[in-house]
Amino acid sequence: GQSLEQPSEVTAVEGAIVQINCTYQTSGFYGLSWYQQHDGGAPTFLSYNALDGLEETGRFSSFLSRSDSYGYLLLQELQMKDSASYFCAVRDSGNTPLVFGKGTRLSVIA
Amino acid sequence: KAGVTQTPRYLIKTRGQQVTLSCSPISGHRSVSWYQQTPGQGLQFLFEYFSETQRNKGNFPGRFSGRQFSNSRSEMNVSTLELGDSALYLCASSLALSGGSTDTQYFGPGTRLTVL
Repeated sequence: GQSLEQPSEVTAVEGAIVQINCTYQTSGFYGLSWYQQHDGGAPTFLSYNALDGLEETGRFSSFLSRSDSYGYLLLQELQMKDSASYFCAVRDSGNTPLVFGKGTRLSVIA
Repeated sequence: KAGVTQTPRYLIKTRGQQVTLSCSPISGHRSVSWYQQTPGQGLQFLFEYFSETQRNKGNFPGRFSGRQFSNSRSEMNVSTLELGDSALYLCASSLALSGGSTDTQYFGPGTRLTVL
């Protein structure tokens, strides 16, 4: 089976940079995804890494190291609206379900 | 294009009852997955349907079941409800053009089920 570990809570200051780590254990590996969920809202897709390295999308970047079974989500120029839960998720193979971590609750403070 | 819709949005049931939740995927999406979300447990996978066939099933008791119709709409059913079934039930659809499960999942707003 699969397991993912990510911090349960992170607090950061508006305008700062925050990194949310995710380590995983899977029998196979078919990419690491990140989703954002605001309170009362639906999870929304942020990024996907299939290969090692950094993927950048605006203020958000995601990194993957397959040899370390590790990835992170980097949020720059934090805004209050970034306060949400962030989930990492992996698949064992192309036809297996997406398995989510328990989520990291990010609180952005003034 | 309309997003994933789920009905009802809120539901209150009592122990022992059964419930049916509905999910309409984004038009053209062929894969529908269901997740249970409870505080502190993240999103736990229930099942995935593709072309009316259950392709994957999570580690949930047989009281949880589902199906997918020819128009890709999906329903999940929970029988003999227990207090622990209180949760947010999320449905997600993906394009799955090649038949695989690797496409981005688009989530609906969820159905908040409360079991008393």
